[in-house]
Amino acid sequence: GENVEQHPSTLSVQEGDSAVIKCTYSDSASNYFPWYKQELGKGPQLIIDIRSNVGEKKDQRIAVTLNKTAKHFSLHITETQPEDSAVYFCAASKAAGNKLTFGGGTRVLVKP
Amino acid sequence: GAVVSQHPSRVICKSGTSVKIECRSLDFQATTMFWYRQFPKQSLMLMATSNEGSKATYEQGVEKDKFLINHASLTLSTLTVTSAHPEDSSFYICSASEPLSGNTIYFGEGSWLTVV
Repeated sequence: GENVEQHPSTLSVQEGDSAVIKCTYSDSASNYFPWYKQELGKGPQLIIDIRSNVGEKKDQRIAVTLNKTAKHFSLHITETQPEDSAVYFCAASKAAGNKLTFGGGTRVLVKP
Repeated sequence: GAVVSQHPSRVICKSGTSVKIECRSLDFQATTMFWYRQFPKQSLMLMATSNEGSKATYEQGVEKDKFLINHASLTLSTLTVTSAHPEDSSFYICSASEPLSGNTIYFGEGSWLTVV
């Protein structure tokens, strides 16, 4: 089955700096890659997703890149703010709507 | 985005009793819902895929007789933890696939279960 590795497990950045989280996946049949933000005690919130027919997608301060050949995808957060502090999860599935396999999560701390 | 609601958000039950958690898609119909379990500071572990009108598909190692899943309508799936024990204490989260957004998966707020 699919295996998703996520790095780093923790990330501390200064407010205003950029944060980058990287994930690799094992199943070349995976085509859908969402990213979720989870705050303490809450359910994950979708922040951005990318499908295999595109290499990059951007939404304001958040961007995701996908390299299908290398089987890795990354989340980029620019101009970080304290409210960006949370745990971020990457995930992969064969198609949108299929069951997701999650990475281990990255705990991001943005220091004011 | 679409809204998925869970109830209750927190529940405490006695060891040996059963507890039901509801997952509702509030503004869309979901033929497929997913149930996850999450331990503190860990990732989400898929327990089962719930399909409306048919039996749930359980992941390997998940006891289907202990974690009963029912998806009786296009907006409601339920997870019943039967004969709960302290080791079943966890954060349970459901998610649903929203067809009109290209089957994007949205998560509920989660339900904290404590078995005493």
